[in-house]
Amino acid sequence: RKEVEQDPGPFNVPEGATVAFNCTYSNSASQSFFWYRQDCRKEPKLLMSVYSSGNEDGRFTAQLNRASQYISLLIRDSKLSDSATYLCVVSPNTGFQKLVFGTGTRLLVSP
Amino acid sequence: DTGVSQDPRHKITKRGQNVTFRCDPISEHNRLYWYRQTLGQGPEFLTYFQNEAQLEKSRLLSDRFSAERPKGSFSTLEIQRTEQGDSAMYLCASSLAAGDGYTFGSGTRLTVV
Repeated sequence: RKEVEQDPGPFNVPEGATVAFNCTYSNSASQSFFWYRQDCRKEPKLLMSVYSSGNEDGRFTAQLNRASQYISLLIRDSKLSDSATYLCVVSPNTGFQKLVFGTGTRLLVSP
Repeated sequence: DTGVSQDPRHKITKRGQNVTFRCDPISEHNRLYWYRQTLGQGPEFLTYFQNEAQLEKSRLLSDRFSAERPKGSFSTLEIQRTEQGDSAMYLCASSLAAGDGYTFGSGTRLTVV
């Protein structure tokens, strides 16, 4: 079983739609959680950290469910510029904060 | 310099040749990481430095791979006797403290022919 699992998609949505991604992680001792965004042939960029209480940044909302070991990302009012791959990232409790990346979920927003 | 710099951006090499990549992290970041990413996959951890000390190496890092960070600033990743399976994007990242997300460089895309 992979440490972090995501649906690879692609998710095809029209502009203005709301879309949600989930990912699951296998290590119950994981400490830190993130969503990264990666554009085609570019480096990953930190989108947001994910906290137990949930957090929101503009149109983006991230939530963590430790009991079920899943993380979600909700994007409201999708823009064309949101088209990218969204990587779910978990830090196992290894002491130095190695990040473990999922394979990513591809989002395509169309006009 | 406000970001992580990697050099070169692209490298094409013949199988069996040695290659070396350089990473300059954000200056105040004492933690430096190397990752490898192949098409359709997320980045995979290779190795980690805290200052000049290499504290963790992945099993992915065979004995053909070596990384250094001699003065706790820039780092190099060398691949000896390259194989076609080494073709990938090699990403360097840095962070200031545990619990922080990483800042990645633009990567070095290696093609072994």
